Amino acid sequence: SQQGEEDPQALSIQEGENATMNCSYKTSINNLQWYRQNSGRGLVHLILIRSNEREKHSGRLRVTLDTSKKSSSLLITASRAADTASYFCATDAWSNYQLIWGAGTKLIIKP
Amino acid sequence: NAGVTQTPKFRVLKTGQSMTLLCAQDMNHEYMYWYRQDPGMGLRLIHYSVGEGTTAKGEVPDGYNVSRLKKQNFLLGLESAAPSQTSVYFCASSLNRGASGYTFGSGTRLTVV
Repeated sequence: SQQGEEDPQALSIQEGENATMNCSYKTSINNLQWYRQNSGRGLVHLILIRSNEREKHSGRLRVTLDTSKKSSSLLITASRAADTASYFCATDAWSNYQLIWGAGTKLIIKP
Repeated sequence: NAGVTQTPKFRVLKTGQSMTLLCAQDMNHEYMYWYRQDPGMGLRLIHYSVGEGTTAKGEVPDGYNVSRLKKQNFLLGLESAAPSQTSVYFCASSLNRGASGYTFGSGTRLTVV
């Protein structure tokens, strides 16, 4: 079952622009996580934001969480060609041990 | 620091054959997971383990078995492979729940013909 839904499914921008991806979920969560997957590779954990946090930063990444709207956004500033990848959100609800994954946003950075 | 290592990276099986996928982590993580990833469907949890000697079913466990005899290893077995099990399989581990993210292996691409 998929709880997280990323939006848009695909995003193509010019290098140097900012990229914003959104994630919506359905049930109460303990935390929400964002991952990156380069083509043909495993997923890499980017950032974890807890349900009592509203914003978190890591380098060029900014994640926000709105628990009232059950949504999160990932902002990548000053995008680079190396940011081309698929980005997934995953939610952790205390009801079970499973992270619930969205289908991902495919980000393409054009040089 | 190897992280999570999966072997093999690629495999082609004939329908009905069996195989074992090995996952090894060197981070002393308690939790380990096996996922499959299919186009347009995100990640689906097959089985997971919350510690040495424990296993539990995930979202799509049918046709798979697992074992975690040692803390650092998590094995995924296919007893009688079917074409529907053609997928990319990922192993992941985590230190605990709620405080840290998952570390993933690089995946095993399995084709069942």
